Amino acid sequence: EAQVTQNPRYLITVTGKKLTVTCSQNMNHEYMSWYRQDPGLGLRQIYYSMNVEVTDKGDVPEGYKVSRKEKRNFPLILESPSPNQTSLYFCASSHGSGYNTEAFFGQGTRLTVV
Amino acid sequence: AQKVTQAQTEISVVEKEDVTLDCVYETRDTTYYLFWYKQPPSGELVFLIRRNSFDEQNEISGRYSWNFQKSTSSFNFTITASQVVDSAVYFCALSERNRDDKIIFGKGTRLHILP
Repeated sequence: EAQVTQNPRYLITVTGKKLTVTCSQNMNHEYMSWYRQDPGLGLRQIYYSMNVEVTDKGDVPEGYKVSRKEKRNFPLILESPSPNQTSLYFCASSHGSGYNTEAFFGQGTRLTVV
Repeated sequence: AQKVTQAQTEISVVEKEDVTLDCVYETRDTTYYLFWYKQPPSGELVFLIRRNSFDEQNEISGRYSWNFQKSTSSFNFTITASQVVDSAVYFCALSERNRDDKIIFGKGTRLHILP
């Protein structure tokens, strides 16, 4: 089954404790991206990747890191999480360049930083 | 500047009524794509439609239809004979060829279909 898998689905952590949210897709997609969803703000793009070893900042990259060492994986790293990073996070993948194709989304990771 | 505006934050209609969700976009690019996604109460995001800037044909898929008008920079979504299962948050999104492949989402419209 074609899918984007995020883990964990739910996470509660403390301020400053490094964490990684994993994202994996099995569709051989070139384009992957991370979004955060906050009430009243919709979905905002954090980082995106056009292909292996190519990553770029989205609109809200501060406080986040990503890497794309393999085509299928695109982990989101919070080196020192803060309460303002409490949010619902989605990973997505698309075929090709991403701008002209539909995105397939993971099920979301609800992160709470206390 | 690249921008997507969904002015309707929340809409409630009674089942079987028609409802239109508005999406207005801003772009300087001549080549761009517009999308609609649905987020039901279960939380996942589901692709509904994609339209490129050179294709202004309206599209109908069952009870769903989309009206793309470049003259007003709008890409509106209409649900005909709404059903309770249509209750969701709907997002409109824009991506431009010359914007480094960033994708901008609107803030979403929460649609309640009342039985």
